[in-house]
Amino acid sequence: DVKVTQSSRYLVKRTGEKVFLECVQDMDHENMFWYRQDPGLGLRLIYFSYDVKMKEKGDIPEGYSVSREKKERFSLILESASTNQTSMYLCASSLEEYSNQPQHFGDGTRLSIL
Amino acid sequence: ILNVEQSPQSLHVQEGDSTNFTCSFPSSNFYALHWYRWETAKSPEALFVMTLNGDEKKKGRISATLNTKEGYSYLYIKGSQPEDSATYLCAFGGGTSYGKLTFGQGTILTVHP
Repeated sequence: DVKVTQSSRYLVKRTGEKVFLECVQDMDHENMFWYRQDPGLGLRLIYFSYDVKMKEKGDIPEGYSVSREKKERFSLILESASTNQTSMYLCASSLEEYSNQPQHFGDGTRLSIL
Repeated sequence: ILNVEQSPQSLHVQEGDSTNFTCSFPSSNFYALHWYRWETAKSPEALFVMTLNGDEKKKGRISATLNTKEGYSYLYIKGSQPEDSATYLCAFGGGTSYGKLTFGQGTILTVHP
């Protein structure tokens, strides 16, 4: 079974802090994704990576950046956290760069920015 | 941004009822349609990935159909059980999306004993 592990289930940070959310997958998947989930809005894609060091903006990239130095690890960075970035963040991975591959999700990080 | 719509937003049914929900998506540049189940305090789990017009998939009491020409998919649950309570998400994958999916806002199903 694919295992996608997010570093924290709950995180509380202060406005203006630089925040790192880490995600690791153990199945040699090419693709990795970061989403945020807000009530009534479903999962919205922040960034994705379809190869090591290949990164693409999703639908809501503003205020975020990502890093993928190794294939198994995909980090989401909040450069200067703001209260409107309080949300549930989900990481996912899929085998290849085709959209007929199911995505495998981590348990999520509930991030609060005070 | 692609438009993927799910209805209803939420649904309450009694144990034993059968139910269904709808996902509508763009009918152009279609590559795949996914259904996921997301239970509280767990991670979303893939139910089905469908790629062909007319596809029907089944997993236990849950089944799904796909119409790519008109851009909709139905998810059916037969004889709902309390453990079926979850948010059901559909997601559209386009032909040039590098594996990227666009999710609907989800249908929250609550099954009352």
